[in-house]
Formats: sequence, structure tokens, C-alpha cells
Amino acid sequence: EIVLTQSPATLSLSPGERATLSCRASQSVSNYLAWYQQKPGQAPRLLMYDASNRATGIPARFSGSGSGTDFTLTISSLEPEDFAVYYCQQRGYWFITFGQGTRLEIK
Amino acid sequence: QLQLQESGPGLVKPSETLSLTCSVSGGSINRSSYYWGWIRQPPGKGLEWIGSRYYSGSTYYNPSLKSRVMISVDTSKNQFSLKLSSVTAADTAVYYCARREDGYSAFDYWGQGTLVTVSS
Repeated sequence: EIVLTQSPATLSLSPGERATLSCRASQSVSNYLAWYQQKPGQAPRLLMYDASNRATGIPARFSGSGSGTDFTLTISSLEPEDFAVYYCQQRGYWFITFGQGTRLEIK
Repeated sequence: QLQLQESGPGLVKPSETLSLTCSVSGGSINRSSYYWGWIRQPPGKGLEWIGSRYYSGSTYYNPSLKSRVMISVDTSKNQFSLKLSSVTAADTAVYYCARREDGYSAFDYWGQGTLVTVSS
């Protein structure tokens, strides 16, 4: 089983600041990594797929990078609506796992 | 626009079987190269993949749940279903259905989720 470890658990920032979220895999997942945003009471929303590709309708302030075991989600300038929980997810040949999440909160 | 909608009982007794259905609209569940999956989220906790079914019929389950899970498809109704047997309070969660395209990493379409509580 591939374990995804996200850091930090909580990130406190102000609107306009840059956010950097990390996801580390216990073994290589190539570029098969996705990022989701989840707000209270809502389903997860796909942000990035295959590590660095923005999903349809996702603003350009969101970007993803990395391959192998280390991945980063960057939000270049935080908007009020960006404060939420973020999850990374990998897909192996058949087994899928999620990270434990990073809570992005307003400072 | 593809839409997924979960339905099923919101309350299940311990030791019984949890049964949920995901109705798909705006696209065929029989279309090639797609996986149809279930993910759950216990209250206040993170996401856990339960399993997926490929359009061809192959199924893949989380090893931690494999002995209790079955995902099936009803192409005539454009629906897929989840059955989880011998439930306990630990199975209380919001259950989501979702779609993933073969060759890609992510679930791109999700249902809104349905809360299932296991309690007597």
C-alpha cells in the first residue's frame, strides 16, 4: 500500500499570500497524483490531475508540480474562497489512496 | 454535463448490509475506459477509497474492506451500486460515488454524497 503524507496538517495564511502544500508518497507514483479541495458539507472538487494539469474551470492561481514521491500544490495568491481542506490522491495499478489532508485556514 | 447522485438508507443496523446506488445522468455508464468508484469519509475525518469497477466488469477493492464489499452495475438503469456487509459503527460515513477515466489519476466527477449512520 502506498501511503501519502501531507504537510503541514494546518496552514494559517492571509488572503493574498502564497500557499505551498506538500504531499509525499511512500514509494514512487510516477505522475499519477491528483489534488482536491473540499469545503464543509461539499464533495471534493478536483483541482489538479496527473500532478501538474489543472482540471476544467480551475483558476490559474492553482498549480501543481512534482513526480515520483514528492509533490506540491501551490496557490499563488490566496482568495477568500480558497480556505478549505486539500487532499492529495494517488492511483496505483489498481489501488487508490488519499493523503490525510491539509487544512488551509485564515490567519 | 455528467451528474452522479447517491441514494439509499441513511440508517443501517449493526451487522446488516449497507446498500447504496449511484445514478448517472448525462453519459453512459457503459462507455469504454471509465472506472466507477465509491469513496467514503467518516465524520470529521479524511477520504477512504472503497473500490472501483471498470466498464469491462473488472472490480478492484480496498484490501481493508475487500471481504465485505461488492460493487455492481445495472446498465439498463445507468446505475452502479455498493454493498457493504456486516457493518459496524466504524462504517458510519458520508459515501460518495465518483468517476475516473482510465489512464488518468483523478476522480473528475463526484456525487454530492450521502450520510450513512450505523446504529441500532
